[in-house]
Amino acid sequence: NAGVTQTPKFRILKIGQSMTLQCTQDMNHNYMYWYRQDPGMGLKLIYYSVGAGITDKGEVPNGYNVSRSTTEDFPLRLELAAPSQTSVYFCASSFILPNRGPSYGYTFGSGTRLTVV
Amino acid sequence: QKEVEQDPGPLSVPEGAIVSLNCTYSNSAFQYFMWYRQYSRKGPELLMYTYSSGNKEDGRFTAQVDKSSKYISLFIRDSQPSDSATYLCAMIRGNMLTFGGGTRLMVKP
Repeated sequence: NAGVTQTPKFRILKIGQSMTLQCTQDMNHNYMYWYRQDPGMGLKLIYYSVGAGITDKGEVPNGYNVSRSTTEDFPLRLELAAPSQTSVYFCASSFILPNRGPSYGYTFGSGTRLTVV
Repeated sequence: QKEVEQDPGPLSVPEGAIVSLNCTYSNSAFQYFMWYRQYSRKGPELLMYTYSSGNKEDGRFTAQVDKSSKYISLFIRDSQPSDSATYLCAMIRGNMLTFGGGTRLMVKP
């Protein structure tokens, strides 16, 4: 009963480096999301996906890319890391029926704590 | 102006108190409303989920939604030190889940 699994849990990057944050869910949810949370702040949506092969930008997409080749996986790619990308990143998933909203709310992973130096 | 406003706190109460946490929102297109609890260095955990005006109760927790006033609340009865966490309200319009900034709650023994 894994739910949403994120790897790695911690990472330190140098400015200009790239990395991929992994997210996988085993609940057969159709929607998946990436959020970032800065200290003392709420969560801001980076990208989301409504199903395999479909992605869309959220509130703060600049500097990030995503792909969704399978229902289970939704990796987040950081290109040319900048100090402004220091944050905690959360992946989430939900099962949403058209015009019905989410069945059970959103399930979050435990987060990836990223520091860019 | 943010779409979802939430007092950041911190809110400090004695054990056993009734806690009231609140959010206001500006966009009437929000249809579904949630409350999440987040412990330090953990992911948000869903507490309550509702989509209609009125009250929904689950154990010591009651979620209240007033769509006419664009106001939602979470009440915690008989608060415990284990309730100490940050509480985030969240709401959905279309495909987007928008969060408030969170209220930090401290329940003192």
